[in-house]
This record gives sequence, C-alpha cells and structure tokens, in this order.
Amino acid sequence: QSLLTQPPSVSGAPGQRVTISCTGSSSNIGAGYGVHWYQQLPGTAPKLLLFGDNNRPSGVPDRFSGSKSGTSASLAITGLQAEDEADYYCQSYDNTLSAYVFGTGTKVTVL
Amino acid sequence: QVQLQESGPGLVKPSETLSLTCSVSGYYIDSGYYWGWIRQPPGKGLEWIGNIYHSGSTDYNPSLKSRVTISVDTSKNQFSLKLSSVTAADTAVYYCARRGGSTGWYYFNYWGQGALVTVSS
Repeated sequence: QSLLTQPPSVSGAPGQRVTISCTGSSSNIGAGYGVHWYQQLPGTAPKLLLFGDNNRPSGVPDRFSGSKSGTSASLAITGLQAEDEADYYCQSYDNTLSAYVFGTGTKVTVL
Repeated sequence: QVQLQESGPGLVKPSETLSLTCSVSGYYIDSGYYWGWIRQPPGKGLEWIGNIYHSGSTDYNPSLKSRVTISVDTSKNQFSLKLSSVTAADTAVYYCARRGGSTGWYYFNYWGQGALVTVSS
C-alpha cells in the first residue's frame, strides 16, 4: 500500500492546464523531504520530470511545474500536448518506513 | 551519457531466486552515487527495492529486506539483485537506476529500460 496518494486519472483538452495531487503525511512530505515527479510513457521506463519539489532536469519543458505545501505536493502541466499522455508518479522518502516511496500513479489523458 | 541495462532470466520458478544484473556505461560506479533497483508489477505502480554504494554499503526496503541482496562488481561496472523465495507477486518489470540528489532530497535520475521477470512454474 502506497503512502503517497494520487488521483487515478486526470484529463484535459490540448492547450489546457491540468494538475496532479500527491497526498502524503507527516512522515514523508510533511517531514520536509523533497518531492520528485516521473513521467512514464507507454511501454517505457520512468523518466525524471521534476526534482526537489520544482526543479526541471535539462530538456524538460517549462510547461511542467511543481509545488509543495504541508503534507501534499502538486504537478501542473500547462499547455497540455498530445505527447504528455502518460502515467505520472510522485516520489519522496518516508522516515517511518525508512524507504523511498512512490505515489499510486496518475494517468493523464489528452482529450 | 549514463546508460543502464538490465539482464537476466525472464522466467523464474516459484520458491527460487530471481537474479538480475545492471550494466552501467558512461560512468564508473566507483566514482560515486548510489545505485538502485525499482520494480513495477504489470499494470501497477513503482516500488523501491534497495540501493548500493560502490563500497558495498546497502539500504533495502524493509518490506523486502529479508529476501533481497544487492551486490556490486566495480571491475565489471555492474551491480546485481537477488530476490529469494519468489512468488507470483514478484512478477514485475525490474528497473535499475542511479540515485541523485542530496540528503532528504534523493531521486532517481537515470533508469534502465527494464526487464520483465515472470514467476511461474
């Protein structure tokens, strides 16, 4: 059972803005650990999308942004494009489990 | 560019030991960083298995710790995963990855393409 909860799916039309929430607890996000986001295109390995709450690795468009508050974090995609259709996972660290934890995953559909 | 590639049997019998190797190119393992294993059951989410440093220092997911061994061979620039007493629940795509970041802010920034391991008799 994942300690980071995400909505199973979100959808939007091309050009729209969508957000994905990642809800944790006081032993992970709320403890101040960084939140990181991964994009997994169909049939491929996850790719680091954002690190340290809101930092983009080289090559990631600035359409992707992140935020964190309390025990939750969010990923926002603005100007949604067909190529953004993928599964998205948040990740942090949990000090009760002493383990790296991933979110339940969210499938983004571009209408 | 750092590249990782998993290899190993795609089919393992129940109660036996799953063994995978990750070959790293573009970076020498003994230059630093922790190296990890993450798995994903078909149609499900990601689960961290464990990490290893070039010195051999490891940390494991407590939920799997009793069955997991991760080792490193710096001479071959590889690290390996062994998971014992497997069941069908261990059927998954297994990814190797490099851990980046700093204390409290660790993430996985380089991933292999993944290896599907099916547990079945």
